[in-house]
Amino acid sequence: AQSVTQPDIHITVSEGASLELRCNYSYGATPYLFWYVQSPGQGLQLLLKYFSGDTLVQGIKGFEAEFKRSQSSFNLRKPSVHWSDAAEYFCAVASGGATNKLIFGTGTLLAVQP
Amino acid sequence: KAGVTQTPRYLIKTRGQQVTLSCSPISGHRSVSWYQQTPGQGLQFLFEYFSETQRNKGNFPGRFSGRQFSNSRSEMNVSTLELGDSALYLCASSPTQNYEQYFGPGTRLTVT
Repeated sequence: AQSVTQPDIHITVSEGASLELRCNYSYGATPYLFWYVQSPGQGLQLLLKYFSGDTLVQGIKGFEAEFKRSQSSFNLRKPSVHWSDAAEYFCAVASGGATNKLIFGTGTLLAVQP
Repeated sequence: KAGVTQTPRYLIKTRGQQVTLSCSPISGHRSVSWYQQTPGQGLQFLFEYFSETQRNKGNFPGRFSGRQFSNSRSEMNVSTLELGDSALYLCASSPTQNYEQYFGPGTRLTVT
């Protein structure tokens, strides 16, 4: 069965520092992978997606993610974090088949120190 | 284009009551999915509708139901509310079966 693991529940970084959020997935075929961000009291905003092709994908707000099939990972990165990046980040994998169902990880809560 | 809208944004209900939540997808999107978000269980898939047909259903009791109208708007209904149904209910729409989904702001349901 498909699954997504986000090992870090909570991460704190200083403003201006680099960021990497980890995501590991379990999926039999080539996965469709996503990163979403959720600000308090809000819905989910799509940051970026990987379907196929170039394993380094660029997203909005300066985020990027790299798909590594050998490690079953899809880590999210940002070179320089801004205070406004404080939020919860979710990695997701499409369940496949004739459905748009997404399977989400448990999320990583990012705090940004001034 | 307007985003996904959900009404109401906040709702307080009593145990045993029923509730109906509404979702209007992005114009042109035919797929609508519903998710429940709780601190304990995280984001869990409820069901998906595509062209008025339920295409997939998550592992939730029959008290949770939904439907989709010809204009792609969707509603979900929860009957006989329980305290554990308190959650943020998120709706997401997608143009077709390409898995890329756009979420609404959610409806915060509190059951007392």
